[in-house]
Amino acid sequence: KNQVEQSPQSLIILEGKNCTLQCNYTVSPFSNLRWYKQDTGRGPVSLTIMTFSENTKSNGRYTATLDADTKQSSLHITASQLSDSASYICVVTSPGRDDKIIFGKGTRLHILP
Amino acid sequence: DAGVIQSPRHEVTEMGQEVTLRCKPISGHDYLFWYRQTMMRGLELLIYFNNNVPIDDSGMPEDRFSAKMPNASFSTLKIQPSEPRDSAVYFCASSRKLAGGPYEQYFGPGTRLTVT
Repeated sequence: KNQVEQSPQSLIILEGKNCTLQCNYTVSPFSNLRWYKQDTGRGPVSLTIMTFSENTKSNGRYTATLDADTKQSSLHITASQLSDSASYICVVTSPGRDDKIIFGKGTRLHILP
Repeated sequence: DAGVIQSPRHEVTEMGQEVTLRCKPISGHDYLFWYRQTMMRGLELLIYFNNNVPIDDSGMPEDRFSAKMPNASFSTLKIQPSEPRDSAVYFCASSRKLAGGPYEQYFGPGTRLTVT
């Protein structure tokens, strides 16, 4: 069964610290993996998109990695800011006649001052 | 561009009533998606359209849910009759498929539905 598992469910860190969020998937075949940031009360916003051949992609202080062999991805946040408090959602697309889009349940990140 | 527009932003209705959620995608995007988000289940894809044609509706929970896209600039998600377990935030998203590559999805602000 195609699944996307994220860990931890929730994370609390102090402002200025780094953190890493994990995403493991069992989706096959694989097309691409995205990380979204969702602020409370808002729709998700795309941070990074990676295809099979890409193993790292950065967007400012956000760096995503992808290991397609082990089916693992991580999102690293450097020098966290209060505005990073949000849910981070990992999404994997499986290609086919109709693409299948599988969402993880997200990691809730809280940044404390 | 104003982005994906959804209306209403909040809807409170009584069980058994019909609910219609509306979405205007970004101009030029040929894919439109409807999602539902709850604390328990996270984001779930309900249905998506390509060039106004429904492609995958396997996520639609039951016959009480229906979605239409009469033209490239408008879509509706209807629940009839509504039930308390339908309470959730419903998101609409649109995208344009890039040749040979993944598409970028843009989400609307969502409609928070409460069924009492």
